[in-house]
Amino acid sequence: DIQMTQSPSSLSASVGDRVTITCRASQSISSYLNWYQQKPGKAPKLLIYAASSLQSGVPSRFSGSGSGTDFTLTISSLQPEDFATYYCQQSYSTPFGFGQGTRLEIK
Amino acid sequence: QVQLQESGPGLVKPSGTLSLTCAVSGGSISSSNWWSWIRQPPGKGLEWIGEIYHSGSTNYNPSLKSRVTISVDKSKNQFSLKLSSVTAADTAVYYCARGVGLWFGELSFNWFDPWGQGTLVTVSS
Repeated sequence: DIQMTQSPSSLSASVGDRVTITCRASQSISSYLNWYQQKPGKAPKLLIYAASSLQSGVPSRFSGSGSGTDFTLTISSLQPEDFATYYCQQSYSTPFGFGQGTRLEIK
Repeated sequence: QVQLQESGPGLVKPSGTLSLTCAVSGGSISSSNWWSWIRQPPGKGLEWIGEIYHSGSTNYNPSLKSRVTISVDKSKNQFSLKLSSVTAADTAVYYCARGVGLWFGELSFNWFDPWGQGTLVTVSS
């Protein structure tokens, strides 16, 4: 199985900050990497697919990059509604695995 | 737009079988998509359980494969999950989700969208 590791596990930031979350795969997964946002009590919501493609309706302050084993999710200017938990997910091979999550909190 | 809704018992006894159904609306389960079950124990991360295609083809997470059955009912536009021999470790919010795929040149990428709202299943006597 491909293991996905996110860092940091938690992060405190302020509105307006630029934030970067990292995801590393245990083997190369090309660009088969997706990012999701989850708010308390809600289902995850797709933000980025294929490593860098922005899902329709997602604000342009979200961006994704990377390929192979190292990926990043960047939020260019944090907004109050962005405080949530973020997960990466590999779709290279089954079993599809998720990172452990990064909790983004208000400083 | 496609919407998914999970349903089933919220409480299952240890050693019993967890059974959930995901109803698909706004689209056909016979479309060119895979349909997945994903779970999340309270306060923890996400675990992919398995997926099914409308033809009945399935893929399961090896960690659960011996206990999982996913089936599809095209007449009702829904798919189902059965997890046998449950323990407290199976207590989780269970989500169903559509697997979406797109070709970029020669490569086919896929992701989960949309997700159902999730249903909490507690394993307890």
